[in-house]
Amino acid sequence: DTAVSQTPKYLVTQMGNDKSIKCEQNLGHDTMYWYKQDSKKFLKIMFSYNNKELIINETVPNRFSPKSPDKAHLNLHINSLELGDSAVYFCASSQAETTYNYEQYFGPGTRLTVT
Amino acid sequence: AQKITQTQPGMFVQEKEAVTLDCTYDTSDPSYGLFWYKQPSSGEMIFLIYQGSYDQQNATEGRYSLNFQKARKSANLVISASQLGDSAMYFCAMREPYYNQGGKLIFGQGTELSVKP
Repeated sequence: DTAVSQTPKYLVTQMGNDKSIKCEQNLGHDTMYWYKQDSKKFLKIMFSYNNKELIINETVPNRFSPKSPDKAHLNLHINSLELGDSAVYFCASSQAETTYNYEQYFGPGTRLTVT
Repeated sequence: AQKITQTQPGMFVQEKEAVTLDCTYDTSDPSYGLFWYKQPSSGEMIFLIYQGSYDQQNATEGRYSLNFQKARKSANLVISASQLGDSAMYFCAMREPYYNQGGKLIFGQGTELSVKP
């Protein structure tokens, strides 16, 4: 069974469209994250949720809106897509956000291409 | 502010030889965790090894070991007996306690390792 899954794996869309990426984890973790990997492979945190509560919002444009219907799911909705949004988006989850010694488990990534 | 630096954009190593990937970090919190992840060309992020700031011994996981030098703030990854399948991008990352930055991972720029047959 996949621990952290994301759909879709690839997403090609035009500028101005609205799209969503879904993430689910079956590890029983309380904390979930969205990371963005740019064209230079640099990974940066976007959002973090703990038990459906937003913990981190790392100066991401308002066009990005995460939603957590329950602690096993964290979806990312993007409005009015721009060329600069093209990237790989990773969902991750982790046990016990109150400590620092647990690795984060990553989903397979969603490659978003905006044309 | 926390920072992770990987100064080697690319590295080459001969198959079966050992290789060290450098990582330095900066933080003012005494409690933190250091992680290495591997990203092969297929794109997934694979956790390799973890070192806690209070751990006395260097972490080891199979062919991977972490050379932790706390005073120098370095956490180098050593891969012994390199294999062709080790060719990938390697990321060093740091995580601080929840009260500081919400437990997010901060990543270095990555090192692209190529293993030659």
